[in-house]
Amino acid sequence: AQSVTQLDSQVPVFEEAPVELRCNYSSSVSVYLFWYVQYPNQGLQLLLKYLSGSTLVKGINGFEAEFNKSQTSFHLRKPSVHISDTAEYFCAVRVQGAQKLVFGQGTRLTINP
Amino acid sequence: GAGVSQTPSNKVTEKGKYVELRCDPISGHTALYWYRQSLGQGPEFLIYFQGTGAADDSGLPNDRFFAVRPEGSVSTLKIQRTERGDSAVYLCASSLVRNADTQYFGPGTRLTVL
Repeated sequence: AQSVTQLDSQVPVFEEAPVELRCNYSSSVSVYLFWYVQYPNQGLQLLLKYLSGSTLVKGINGFEAEFNKSQTSFHLRKPSVHISDTAEYFCAVRVQGAQKLVFGQGTRLTINP
Repeated sequence: GAGVSQTPSNKVTEKGKYVELRCDPISGHTALYWYRQSLGQGPEFLIYFQGTGAADDSGLPNDRFFAVRPEGSVSTLKIQRTERGDSAVYLCASSLVRNADTQYFGPGTRLTVL
């Protein structure tokens, strides 16, 4: 079975500072990797995804993530955050050939002015 | 265009009652998913439909939970004899088959069982 671990439940940062949200996964087979964002009182929105090819993936709102197969990680980064990035961020995996997403428990990103 | 919609947005019920939660997927999406998100947790998979049939129902916690999608569009998640532990946000998502990697989520239905 697959599992996803988001190492930080909460991450507070100052506006315009860089941020990294950590995600590690466990799977015995190849997976696709995703980051979703959930803004307050809104549904989940796809930020970016890794399917194959370049291990550095760029998404919306200036976010990027790097797939590291040897470390089974898919950390999310942004060089300079804004107040509007305040949200809950979820890492997820999907096994190749299956449809369901397996999510981590989420990281709450709080931006302080 | 319109996204995934879910009704009701909130549902409060008493222990032991029956509830139905509805999902309207994005038009043309043949794949539909239900997830459950408990407080402070990530979403957990419940069931996946391809067209009218349930292709994977491995996430349904027990036989009190059932879902249908009779015409391959709207889906209803049905919970019998609700328990307080069923309280959660129930999320629906849909996707195209040929782009099955991107699931588009609805805003969810918050179910509270008293």
